[in-house]
Amino acid sequence: DAKTTQPPSMDCAEGRAANLPCNHSTISGNEYVYWYRQIHSQGPQYIIHGLKNNETNEMASLIITEDRKSSTLILPHATLRDTAVYYCIVRVGNYGQNFVFGPGTRLSVLP
Amino acid sequence: DAMVIQNPRYQVTQFGKPVTLSCSQTLNHNVMYWYQQKSSQAPKLLFHYYDKDFNNEADTPDNFQSRRPNTSFCFLDIRSPGLGDAAMYLCATSKGGRASDTQYFGPGTRLTVL
Repeated sequence: DAKTTQPPSMDCAEGRAANLPCNHSTISGNEYVYWYRQIHSQGPQYIIHGLKNNETNEMASLIITEDRKSSTLILPHATLRDTAVYYCIVRVGNYGQNFVFGPGTRLSVLP
Repeated sequence: DAMVIQNPRYQVTQFGKPVTLSCSQTLNHNVMYWYQQKSSQAPKLLFHYYDKDFNNEADTPDNFQSRRPNTSFCFLDIRSPGLGDAAMYLCATSKGGRASDTQYFGPGTRLTVL
């Protein structure tokens, strides 16, 4: 079973920040949080991952709470092309063999 | 500069007729994975190879097999496809061996069973 819970759907206005929450209350100390997204009929696309510290790259920012029980993915200026299913995954195992996908959040960016 | 390549992108087979899906990678990654994704569901891991070491998930049906002849290629064989095997099949790769190990996915092969 997935170790994460996410809202099933969210809407965001184009140009606004999209904040996607994820709960992972049973996360262990050495488990990373990964975010992927999947645009319709394509393979999942890696976005970002982190352990404890907040992370930022060209696509998004990842904010992890101090107790590590939840995180938020931030798309700073959402575009229509960001419409996708976003998956928050807590990776277990030595080399990621247990990448268990939950149902994800369907983000709709509205014009 | 494609990194994980899956062929074909669309495959149609008949009920019970064996089918093979292929995946190749240019990343020289140690680990290759196969996922099944049915309509409106999340991807589900079927099995993976760490180098030549095959690791099957406990609930993967025996109908699904895999081969990895070399580092770059991995195949998914479905011996006798049923209607319930119609799905998107996703290949992914990762370096392996680290606590932080990102998986990179191919575009998927959509399998139709008639």
